[in-house]
Amino acid sequence: DAKTTQPNSMESNEEEPVHLPCNHSTISGTDYIHWYRQLPSQGPEYVIHGLTSNVNNRMASLAIAEDRKSSTLILHRATLRDAAVYYCIRNSGGGADGLTFGKGTHLIIQP
Amino acid sequence: DTGVSQDPRHKITKRGQNVTFRCDPISEHNRLYWYRQTLGQGPEFLTYFQNEAQLEKSRLLSDRFSAERPKGSFSTLEIQRTEQGDSAMYLCASSFYGAGVETQYFGPGTRLLVL
Repeated sequence: DAKTTQPNSMESNEEEPVHLPCNHSTISGTDYIHWYRQLPSQGPEYVIHGLTSNVNNRMASLAIAEDRKSSTLILHRATLRDAAVYYCIRNSGGGADGLTFGKGTHLIIQP
Repeated sequence: DTGVSQDPRHKITKRGQNVTFRCDPISEHNRLYWYRQTLGQGPEFLTYFQNEAQLEKSRLLSDRFSAERPKGSFSTLEIQRTEQGDSAMYLCASSFYGAGVETQYFGPGTRLLVL
């Protein structure tokens, strides 16, 4: 049970912003929201994480709803290299059971 | 490159043979994870170590699977008497636990094909 819900796939155009949604309606107060992505034939790659406040880093931004039941990963200007499967994961940080991945969102970028 | 490395990258074996995979984590990381990923699915947790201690094993880890991390550095995952259902990508990840939010860094994986 991934405990998060994401669309199976999304499509966007190169150099446009992309908003990837994630629902985590049963999230507990101590669970962080992590995003990883997996490019073809590679292992997953950490993108960003947050708890309550919106977060920015060099790869993306994470917008977290006030009730924490959903979040959105924002790629400000998508490139062809951003085509990947994006996973939204709840993580208590305790290590037990590792990260629980769902099927993620397959992001397709059109040139 | 100081990232997580895995060896071999690809392995083809016949059913019933034993295989062993190696993972070298980022050097200062104290946790090491193993995952399995089949086509079209996200990675599934198998087991993890903190230093040399194996702290958790998934029910997916049958008796034919064994993992070690003898000196708290590299780890090996062995599959005995392989079955066709073991065909998958085996991923290793490492992290530093104990300071801030834990972030896992993944290796490129070992793709296993059992004929």
